[in-house]
Formats: sequence, structure tokens, C-alpha cells
Amino acid sequence: QKEVEQNSGPLSVPEGAIASLNCTYSDRGSQSFFWYRQYSGKSPELIMFIYSNGDKEDGRFTAQLNKASQYVSLLIRDSQPSDSATYLCAVTGSGYALNFGKGTSLLVTP
Amino acid sequence: NAGVTQTPKFQVLKTGQSMTLQCAQDMNHNSMYWYRQDPGMGLRLIYYSASEGTTDKGEVPNGYNVSRLNKREFSLRLESAAPSQTSVYFCASELDRGQDTQYFGPGTRLTVL
Repeated sequence: QKEVEQNSGPLSVPEGAIASLNCTYSDRGSQSFFWYRQYSGKSPELIMFIYSNGDKEDGRFTAQLNKASQYVSLLIRDSQPSDSATYLCAVTGSGYALNFGKGTSLLVTP
Repeated sequence: NAGVTQTPKFQVLKTGQSMTLQCAQDMNHNSMYWYRQDPGMGLRLIYYSASEGTTDKGEVPNGYNVSRLNKREFSLRLESAAPSQTSVYFCASELDRGQDTQYFGPGTRLTVL
């Protein structure tokens, strides 16, 4: 089983701050990397995907990928209380399976 | 365009009962998936169907069966429910396996007494 590791949290940040969520993966053949957000009692929804090394920005969200270090992160700028959720890192391995981390709980405090 | 739909939303079963969870997608996706999500365990793949007419086991297939009825529909069957199958079940679809993004249905919360 390919491993995708996340700190379970909770990660607590004040409103307006930058939240930094991290993920490491074990399969060096991994090609695609996703961040999903899951509110309590709801299904995962895609926030961002990234395929190439470097940064990818979408509004307040930035995904960062470093394949050499097998590390992917999600930055949320100007965090809002509505960003409070569990963030799931998912990695498509060399066998096309999408492996999920257990998620990091984020709490944005007013 | 409803995306991925699942029925039922909630279900309570007694040990030994059987039931089928239904999933349908209207995005013309080829691949469909069934996951279970348990506290502290994350999302785990039960079965998947890479394309119409094919099904394969995932990480935790024991106690389940699936049917890819057509391109739109993928059902999950519990033949003899056990308390260990108490979980939230999510169906997902993807244009092509491993090539795109998976989109999730709203989930079915199942309790087995």
C-alpha cells in the first residue's frame, strides 16, 4: 500500500492568517496530486490539483509540489472561518490508484 | 447536471441483513469507485470499475460485491451486513482511471446493529 501522510491536526490559525497544510507520499512514481476539502458530514470536494514541480495558484489557494522530496503542500492565504474543514491530500500512484491521506483538520478562529 | 448521486442517504441494518447502495453519474465518465470512510482511517477503496463491463477489487473488498450496470450506474451490495461495515460510503467517478479528477457523491451513512 502506497503511503500518503498528513498531520491530523487540528491546525488552528487566526482569521486573515496563512494556513499551511503539508503532505508526504512514498510512491516515487506518483504523477498527480490533489487537495480535497471535506466539511463535517459532507463529501470531499476538489480544491486543486498539481502535476508539475513548483507552485500553482488559484485565488487564495496555492499548491506546491516537490517531487524530489516527495512533498506536496497547500497554502491558504487570508484564511476565513469558512475554510474550517478537513483537507485531504490525494496522490495518484504508478498503478493509477488514488491514495488518500487521513486528512488535516483546519480551524480558523475569528 | 446532478454530477454523482447516491441512494439512500442513511440506512440502518441489522446484522445479517443485505442491501444495495446505488450510485449514478451523469458526466459520461468511464471510471467509477466505491470508498468507505471511517474515523481515523481516511478514505479506503472498496471496489472500482475502470470502464463499463469491468470491476476490480480495491483495498478493502471483503464482504462486498459490485455491479457496473451500465456506464452511468455502479452499485455496491452487502450480502450479510456486519457491525464492522458501519461506515460512510462514498461513490466517485472519473473520466478515465488515473487520468483525471475524481468527483464524489454525497455519501451514504450506514449503521449495522
